[in-house]
Amino acid sequence: GAVVSQHPSWVICKSGTSVKIECRSLDFQATTMFWYRQFPKQSLMLMATSNEGSKATYEQGVEKDKFLINHASLTLSTLTVTSAHPEDSSFYICSARDSVGYEKLFFGSGTQLSVL
Amino acid sequence: QKEVEQNSGPLSVPEGAIASLNCTYSDRGSQSFFWYRQYSGKSPELIMFIYSNGDKEDGRFTAQLNKASQYVSLLIRDSQPSDSATYLCAVNYYNTDKLIFGTGTRLQVFP
Repeated sequence: GAVVSQHPSWVICKSGTSVKIECRSLDFQATTMFWYRQFPKQSLMLMATSNEGSKATYEQGVEKDKFLINHASLTLSTLTVTSAHPEDSSFYICSARDSVGYEKLFFGSGTQLSVL
Repeated sequence: QKEVEQNSGPLSVPEGAIASLNCTYSDRGSQSFFWYRQYSGKSPELIMFIYSNGDKEDGRFTAQLNKASQYVSLLIRDSQPSDSATYLCAVNYYNTDKLIFGTGTRLQVFP
């Protein structure tokens, strides 16, 4: 299947700093990418839908100024957690699809963010 | 609010048994249904998807969909210890571009 690469896998940062997470589709073009957040023993919560060349669509309750999403090309979307706080510590997962239909949705390996 | 419900478990079954995982959803406007397997600290991987009422089989896995009752299930035959993971049910609602996940059921297969 298609490969979605997500980096970094782990990041530890100090409170107040910003962290950038990259999501790349390696062998297909992804017009749409999705960003999820998962707290321990909870399900994946959709944060935003990232569309190439346009502004991301954020889910209710997700602060767009805190979680900056950029989808500048058909193979790259980035999520920047600005002014991170301990409550932002979570597992962040991106996903991308290469066609219509979720059976073609592929997930990145996830990024575990720990904010001290 | 659209919801996807799963029993968090753990569901414990002996090796070789059939594991039955269930999921209910709140909105009749649901279009497609997915089962993902997630190991601890890893991202989800797709196991099965189903669009139509009835059963769909793939190897040891069978997905069952009943739209009238708004539930979808996953059966795992000949369960193996390597099947031990959290199984996430996900639903795509009609006319939206979103995949809504349930909270997951933790499956434990013991030797």
